[in-house]
Amino acid sequence: DAGITQSPRHKVTETGTPVTLRCHQTENHRYMYWYRQDPGHGLRLIHYSYGVKDTDKGEVSDGYSVSRSKTEDFLLTLESATSSQTSVYFCAISESTLGGEQYFGPGTRLTVT
Amino acid sequence: EDQVTQSPEALRLQEGESSSLNCSYTVSGLRGLFWYRQDPGKGPEFLFTLYSAGEEKEKERLKATLTKKESFLHITAPKPEDSATYLCAVPSTTDSWGKLQFGAGTQVVVTP
Repeated sequence: DAGITQSPRHKVTETGTPVTLRCHQTENHRYMYWYRQDPGHGLRLIHYSYGVKDTDKGEVSDGYSVSRSKTEDFLLTLESATSSQTSVYFCAISESTLGGEQYFGPGTRLTVT
Repeated sequence: EDQVTQSPEALRLQEGESSSLNCSYTVSGLRGLFWYRQDPGKGPEFLFTLYSAGEEKEKERLKATLTKKESFLHITAPKPEDSATYLCAVPSTTDSWGKLQFGAGTQVVVTP
């Protein structure tokens, strides 16, 4: 398995609180991604990174911010959690400029009450 | 707008009953098509990359093929361990790198 971990694996939080999810890789891959997966919507890209301090928005970025200060770590922050952000969050890494061969972490199940 | 559509949404097979999954796309200038497998409660696992029409890739009981408009994932003589959701994805044509658009997936259940 690719060396990619996510923490926490499960979290329950209240509406309005900030939440930070962490993705850590040991593969030294350049590209890192945050997705959310919801029934009926499939995998949707939130934010991605193409290098240290280089990030950009995906298709569902509202309410989320990211930071990448080191190659190995990519943080996703929900600035003020809402119930619509209840989801399973996956981090992925890739060395491909097409982004095709991605390796996914185990996921974080987030519940916002 | 790039679109990726998978069919059927769900497929129930008897062990040994071969079948095919479809992934159709409307992107122009396809730069590759990717298949993933996802087990319940886990992240997707990369299976194949296809770059051009006519290309085929195989792995155990799975064979992926590509035409100019769609890709097929053939499952030959499936076993219960092939039960999973299979996702296809294509690179975004609005970016020069790095972003994929995923289909909604086909959930496959193989019964003994």
